[in-house]
Parts: sequence; structure tokens; C-alpha cells
Amino acid sequence: QSALTQPASVSGSPGQSITISCTGTSSDVGAYNYVSWYQQLPGKAPRLMIYDVTNRPSGVSNRFSGSKSGNTASLTISGLQAEDEADYYCTSYKGTYSPYVFGTGTKVTVL
Amino acid sequence: EVQLVESGGGLVQPGGSLRLSCAASGFTFSDYWMHWVRQAPGKGLECVSRIKTDGSIITDAESVKGRFTISRDNAKNTLYLQMNSLRVEDTAVYYCARVKDGLFFLDVWGKGTTVTVSS
Repeated sequence: QSALTQPASVSGSPGQSITISCTGTSSDVGAYNYVSWYQQLPGKAPRLMIYDVTNRPSGVSNRFSGSKSGNTASLTISGLQAEDEADYYCTSYKGTYSPYVFGTGTKVTVL
Repeated sequence: EVQLVESGGGLVQPGGSLRLSCAASGFTFSDYWMHWVRQAPGKGLECVSRIKTDGSIITDAESVKGRFTISRDNAKNTLYLQMNSLRVEDTAVYYCARVKDGLFFLDVWGKGTTVTVSS
């Protein structure tokens, strides 16, 4: 199965906002409002940051927000902080009988 | 405390087999679909296999079909991944993660276990 497409890297200065895109198809991102985003610090397991396109789990900063338009979902980090430097992955549900599909991953660098 | 703990990783020769386990605690295991997700060195995440709450639905990635078998024992709160005919490209950290039935996101992950396939 083809991975969702993300930019390899995005950078920003502290305090700025950045947006990471996640482009899929009409069979995954475009078909369901079940896009989630994960943060992965070096050597650590992924951590859920956004679910169902726009929702934040308890404990996740409100600086993280999600959206979707057509086959593309986006994660925005506002008020960028040094601790946000990590890899970020999107994923989408693809139906009962298909594995979830992950994005290619984006490395966020805080300048 | 909700916890997933993987075990069973190690070094194996190409063509060999390995069985991974994921011990769950702190939640009702049978209420959750369970996933195996892997990450090759320096690469992204790949959903390898997932299994429904009662084991009645299993979905596998094309890359592992016919070689890997996911299973679960709800009485033991444990998830398994039997890996046969291992290839060098199966080298990765393998994570187990949970998804509540009726929801569609992986909300708790284990720390992972490393599988190295090399001669």
C-alpha cells in the first residue's frame, strides 16, 4: 500500500507557526475523517497528537491543531518551541479490511 | 497504569523465524483492536498487521502477507506476531499499539522491540 505524502522537512524559528501537509487519496484521507498525527522524539515510541482530523487528546498542547481539505490533511504547530523538534507522522484509516496507512514522515527543526 | 510491553526481538538469520509478544496491562484488552507497527532504521512507520478485538478480522501489509501471522490471547492479555521466512528488509523496531473498537487512532504504544535479520 502506498504511503501518504508528507514533506521531508519543515523548519521554523521559535514562536513562529509551521504547517505539515499529508496528502493521500480518495480511498483514505479523502474518504474518512479518521486522520491522526503522531510525534516521535529520537529513540522513542510515537505519541498521539491529533485524532479524527481535528481533536487533541488530553495533555497535548493547544498549540497543535489539525485540519483537512479533500485528500490533504494538515498539522499546524503554532508558537513553535524547541521541544517541538521531532519527527511527525500522519496516518489514515482505510476501511475495515485494510491496514492503516502512514505518511512518509516530516522532520521538524526549530531554528 | 496503561501499558504495552513488547518482547521477543533479537538477531536472526535470513529465512529464520521469531515470535514477538506484547503484554498489555491496565485496560480491558478485549475492547481494543491491536496493531503491530514497525520502523526500519532511519525510515518511517509501517502498519504491519492488525487484529480485531475477538480475532475475527486480521489485516496484513502486502510486504508480510503469507510470512507473518498476528494473533491474540484475550485471557492472557497478550498479542503475538509470528514472523517466518524473515528477510533482511524486515529489520526494524516493532511496536505494538492499541485502537479502541469503534475508534480509529492508535492512542497507546509500547516502547518497541528490535528485530535484526542478518547473516
